[in-house]
Amino acid sequence: GAVVSQHPSWVICKSGTSVKIECRSLDFQATTMFWYRQFPKQSLMLMATSNEGSKATYEQGVEKDKFLINHASLTLSTLTVTSAHPEDSSFYICSASETGETQYFGPGTRLLVL
Amino acid sequence: GENVEQHPSTLSVQEGDSAVIKCTYSDSASNYFPWYKQELGKGPQLIIDIRSNVGEKKDQRIAVTLNKTAKHFSLHITETQPEDSAVYFCAASMDTGNQFYFGTGTSLTVIP
Repeated sequence: GAVVSQHPSWVICKSGTSVKIECRSLDFQATTMFWYRQFPKQSLMLMATSNEGSKATYEQGVEKDKFLINHASLTLSTLTVTSAHPEDSSFYICSASETGETQYFGPGTRLLVL
Repeated sequence: GENVEQHPSTLSVQEGDSAVIKCTYSDSASNYFPWYKQELGKGPQLIIDIRSNVGEKKDQRIAVTLNKTAKHFSLHITETQPEDSAVYFCAASMDTGNQFYFGTGTSLTVIP
């Protein structure tokens, strides 16, 4: 139980294009989903928290117009990196929580912007 | 806000030995402490968690202890195996729905 999937697992795109990453809770309903960014050999950096049907809450320093988050259902949240640039290249990980306590993480999406 | 510190940053042990990773937190309101294992190129996987009303929890070779007074909690892995090699993260959280405050991670290497 408590499986979270992400798609795609990796993506390469040209600078200036937009990329959408999907996060799904497969066997439970996620009241809250989180989006993280992780640089090599570093800890997870929380980007935003989203509740189904509500606007996402972004952490300080995260541009909400650049990282668009949609949590349209209790099993799906999407992160869209708009007008991607090489500095956006990173490992993006989502997590989902059913009870609001334990977070279950997806396998991550590696983004490379050329 | 909450600040979680984790030590050591790297740890090497011989197969069969025990490994201990320690974390401290600053906010006494934190009441939920999960531990995650992250293998290279993958997302973190929850391996054990403990709540503030419990002092110790064990699951086969893995155990976690919590000292609320001192504000620290530890992960203990006994009879380590090469497949235990990974990066381990501790985290602290206050109340439901709130964010996790992660430690900086410990890279564990189990030498066969």
